[in-house]
Amino acid sequence: DGGITQSPKYLFRKEGQNVTLSCEQNLNHDAMYWYRQDPGQGLRLIYYSQIVNDFQKGDIAEGYSVSREKKESFPLTVTSAQKNPTAFYLCASSSGSGHQPQHFGDGTRLSIL
Amino acid sequence: GQNIDQPTEMTATEGAIVQINCTYQTSGFNGLFWYQQHAGEAPTFLSYNVLDGLEEKGRFSSFLSRSKGYSYLLLKELQMKDSASYLCAVSGSGGSYIPTFGRGTSLIVHP
Repeated sequence: DGGITQSPKYLFRKEGQNVTLSCEQNLNHDAMYWYRQDPGQGLRLIYYSQIVNDFQKGDIAEGYSVSREKKESFPLTVTSAQKNPTAFYLCASSSGSGHQPQHFGDGTRLSIL
Repeated sequence: GQNIDQPTEMTATEGAIVQINCTYQTSGFNGLFWYQQHAGEAPTFLSYNVLDGLEEKGRFSSFLSRSKGYSYLLLKELQMKDSASYLCAVSGSGGSYIPTFGRGTSLIVHP
């Protein structure tokens, strides 16, 4: 079955540490996205990519970085510059047409040690 | 600019009907999506409206009025498993296909 997989499910970050969240899809989707979800805040866009080797900043990109070296993969790095990283992170993919829904991974919950 | 409003929380009784409203003010419009999200889980797609009118899918229906910047999600014959957050997302704001999400409506279904 096609789908989108995020790992790990839970992640803990120490002070000054960078951590990387994995996102893989086998839906052959061109577009991939990273969202951050805080209680009562809805989904806020961190970064998105419409095609391999290209990505764009979303509304809250500061303190985060991404890469898109393969169509299937869109890892997110939470850097030490992100001072409040505790949140639920969701990866999504879509055909990119704007008329098709996004498919979401199960999320990664990141906490500070 | 873009602004999407939904009620924060709603409660309803099992077997009843509930309507969750979403109003939007965006600089462009390419369609409106509704997603369901259970606590700690991934959002799942419920419906998509791009033309005015009602789209029905079993117990769930979604309505759109583009002139009023208004949509609603109607849930009939409520079940306990319908307790979840319901997210409204608008595509096409500012000419971008990237959907912008509202803050979500937490629905609590009581027995």
